[in-house]
Amino acid sequence: KAGVTQTPRYLIKTRGQQVTLSCSPISGHRSVSWYQQTPGQGLQFLFEYFSETQRNKGNFPGRFSGRQFSNSRSEMNVSTLELGDSALYLCASSRRGGEDYGYTFGSGTRLTVV
Amino acid sequence: GNSVTQMEGPVTLSEEAFLTINCTYTATGYPSLFWYVQYPGEGLQLLLKATKADDKGSNKGFEATYRKETTSFHLEKGSVQVSDSAVYFCAFDYKLSFGAGTTVTVRA
Repeated sequence: KAGVTQTPRYLIKTRGQQVTLSCSPISGHRSVSWYQQTPGQGLQFLFEYFSETQRNKGNFPGRFSGRQFSNSRSEMNVSTLELGDSALYLCASSRRGGEDYGYTFGSGTRLTVV
Repeated sequence: GNSVTQMEGPVTLSEEAFLTINCTYTATGYPSLFWYVQYPGEGLQLLLKATKADDKGSNKGFEATYRKETTSFHLEKGSVQVSDSAVYFCAFDYKLSFGAGTTVTVRA
C-alpha cells in the first residue's frame, strides 16, 4: 500500500513569504501529526489532527497552522517566514493516534528560507 | 512534565560490536514506547515498540524492553552492521515526544 506522501520534497522561500505543505496519509489512517526537524532543536511536535479536528498542539507561534480535510489529507501553513523556519518538516500518520500501531512517517519537505 | 531523555551521541562502532542506546522517560501513567530510525536522507521509520510494562519489542536484530521500575526503554543489538548506521530516536506516545536522537556510525 502507498506510504505517507509529502509534497513538495524541497522548497525555497524568501523571508516574509508564506508556504503551504501537504501530507497525504496512508489510506485508512485518520490521525496526522506534523513535526519540525532541525539540527539544533531535534524533532519538535507541531500539531496533530484527527478527523478534521486539531487534537494536540506543540509550542509554536501562531504563524504555524494546519488543517485536515475529510479525506484525512492535511496541510500545514507557515506565514511570514523567518530564516529560523528553515527545517525538514515531517508528517506522520496513524490509525487513531499511534499508541497501538506506531506512526508512519513521510520523507519530509525540506524548507529553506533565504 | 512528560519527556524523553536518550543517550547523546555520536556513537561510532566497528562491525559486529554490541550496541546499546539508553532511553529514559518521564510521564504520568504508562505510555507506549517506541524506537524510530532515520537513515540518511529519509524520514523516520518505526523500528520497534512496546505498549506495556515488561513487553519486549524486537525487529531487525534490535531489542528493547519496557522497564516500568526504571522508566527505561534501552535499545540493544548484539552485532551491528554498516547498514545500521543511522540516527535512532526514542519516543513515547504523549504528542509522540521524541528524544534528541543518537547518531550511530558503524565502520567496516
